[in-house]
Amino acid sequence: QVQLVESGGGVVQPGGSLRLACAASGFTFSSHGMHWVRQAPGKGLEWVTFIWSDGSGKDYADSVKGRFTVSRDNSRNTQYLQMNSLRADDTAVYYCAKDLFGYGAFDIWGQGTMVTVSS
Amino acid sequence: EIVLTQSPGTLSLSPGERATLSCRASHSVSTSYFAWYQQKPGQAPRLLIFGASSRATGIPDRFTGSGSGTDFTLTISRLEPEDFAVYYCHHGRSPLYTFGQGTKLEIK
Repeated sequence: QVQLVESGGGVVQPGGSLRLACAASGFTFSSHGMHWVRQAPGKGLEWVTFIWSDGSGKDYADSVKGRFTVSRDNSRNTQYLQMNSLRADDTAVYYCAKDLFGYGAFDIWGQGTMVTVSS
Repeated sequence: EIVLTQSPGTLSLSPGERATLSCRASHSVSTSYFAWYQQKPGQAPRLLIFGASSRATGIPDRFTGSGSGTDFTLTISRLEPEDFAVYYCHHGRSPLYTFGQGTKLEIK
């Protein structure tokens, strides 16, 4: 079935780095744009990044621009989020989500991976 | 930048009642890029409505999305116990994607 599985979360010190991965299955990964969305504990949803299906275009929220880098490997059906210069306010559950082409909506979500930035 | 404001913040209703959730955009947006999501505690969000009024796969017809311009509505015609959750509106068009702050639908 259609599935997204995130991995790579954990505890990291302020200023540190972490790389998340999102493995896709059940659909043609290379045909779809992909997003990362995060949710701080007890808070609402915040969009983080979008990468085009072929990886040629990328969008970032202002809050992560210059610190986070999204990439994808279509041969491995996986997208990545490299997070550098992490801050306490980056603490959140990070969700991977599939783009619904033509509508800007997120039609498939992973279960999320928790990132905690703390000393 | 588009700001989405949801109301009310919390809605207390009983099973069987009708729920009306609102979302107002700071300026006019295209219906094509407007969506609603449901999130239950400890779970990932789930897409309910896209294109302002189209139900996503597997979504019951008691969920209806409507609206245009700056005002959008999610209506749940007869609340079932599993409908009590947090609902988010969303506008997504590259390069910016925005969520409302959420409406918590709780059992009265």
